Amino acid sequence: NAGVTQTPKFQVLKTGQSMTLQCAQDMNHEYMSWYRQDPGMGLRLIHYSVGAGITDQGEVPNGYNVSRSTTEDFPLRLLSAAPSQTSVYFCASTGSKTQYFGPGTRLLVL
Amino acid sequence: GQQVMQIPQYQHVQEGEDFTTYCNSSTTLSNIQWYKQRPGGHPVFLIQLVKSGEVKKQKRLTFQFGEAKKNSSLHITATQTTDVGTYFCAGPTRGNKLVFGAGTILRVKS
Repeated sequence: NAGVTQTPKFQVLKTGQSMTLQCAQDMNHEYMSWYRQDPGMGLRLIHYSVGAGITDQGEVPNGYNVSRSTTEDFPLRLLSAAPSQTSVYFCASTGSKTQYFGPGTRLLVL
Repeated sequence: GQQVMQIPQYQHVQEGEDFTTYCNSSTTLSNIQWYKQRPGGHPVFLIQLVKSGEVKKQKRLTFQFGEAKKNSSLHITATQTTDVGTYFCAGPTRGNKLVFGAGTILRVKS
């Protein structure tokens, strides 16, 4: 049982580049979410999904897209990276009222 | 929108001293969750409180949920170096999205 996995662990992008952050869970959880963490601001919800084919916006969705074609996978796409998107990104899945976080992706946009 | 505030932002204690972090919501919460994040790590779920006035203990950690279900606290008795990290509270919005406090950073001097 790997729990929640995220790839890559680190990424450096140039402004305007696009990329996809991968997230997968093997706990058969319906609810998954993406957060970004910036110093002094806690975790802010970007997008979330309550099941395959269903996604919705969180607190800070602009500049990000998500899709949920399977229960296991919930990728996060940056369409045109900006320096303001430099952050640590955490994926999480929720089951039995407990939220399990992945190890995170550290993203630097130059 | 709903806000969750945490104080203090930072606390540095001597090993063996007690530590408390406080969480206040601008709205009544159906539940409150607490997480711990070690330096360089990801948030780890600690506990969820649901009932008004609820108190739960986990070894040296005591969690309280206020009578009005708008505030909560986490108290650590006799801190140890293993307690180092950032402690977050989080509460769900009406749309069941989780809103996190900014966190309290705990440092322990040995």
